[in-house]
Amino acid sequence: EAQVTQNPRYLITVTGKKLTVTCSQNMNHEYMSWYRQDPGLGLRQIYYSMNVEVTDKGDVPEGYKVSRKEKRNFPLILESPSPNQTSLYFCASSLSSVDTGELFFGEGSRLTVL
Amino acid sequence: KQEVTQIPAALSVPEGENLVLNCSFTDSAIYNLQWFRQDPGKGLTSLLLIQSSQREQTSGRLNASLDKSSGRSTLYIAASQPGDSATYLCAVSRSGDMRFGAGTRLTVKP
Repeated sequence: EAQVTQNPRYLITVTGKKLTVTCSQNMNHEYMSWYRQDPGLGLRQIYYSMNVEVTDKGDVPEGYKVSRKEKRNFPLILESPSPNQTSLYFCASSLSSVDTGELFFGEGSRLTVL
Repeated sequence: KQEVTQIPAALSVPEGENLVLNCSFTDSAIYNLQWFRQDPGKGLTSLLLIQSSQREQTSGRLNASLDKSSGRSTLYIAASQPGDSATYLCAVSRSGDMRFGAGTRLTVKP
């Protein structure tokens, strides 16, 4: 089944404890991206990657890191999480570039930082 | 900086009504516009994608239009059903950069 898989789906952590949210897609998509969703603010793009080893900042990249070493994986790293990073996170992918393609989303990862 | 606005924020209609959801954006230099559906606790599902060179797209009871010059898009849902109840989001893209509206929460009452 074609899908975008995120892990963990739910996580409660404490301020300053490094964490990684993994994202994997099995559709051989070139484009991958991360978003956070907060009440009343809609989705805001954190980082995106047009292809392997190519990443760019989105609207709200502060406090996050990403890497794209393989086509299928695009992990989101929070080096030192803070309470304002408590949010619902989504990973998404598109076949070539989002400028021409339908975007496929994962089920989301709900992160709470205490 | 691109800003995307969706009006109304919430909408409640009786089953069978035709309805229109609105999306506006401030920068007309977009490559495409997508409409998504989000059910509670779920990810987003793409409904329709309109390239910047197109004026509209249709899928079943859904029709989306795009007026790039005026920075507007509408999503028309015909003969609404309770199963259409969800949040609908629009998003514009340019060179990988995606900007979303805050969404319209639709409730269709039986």
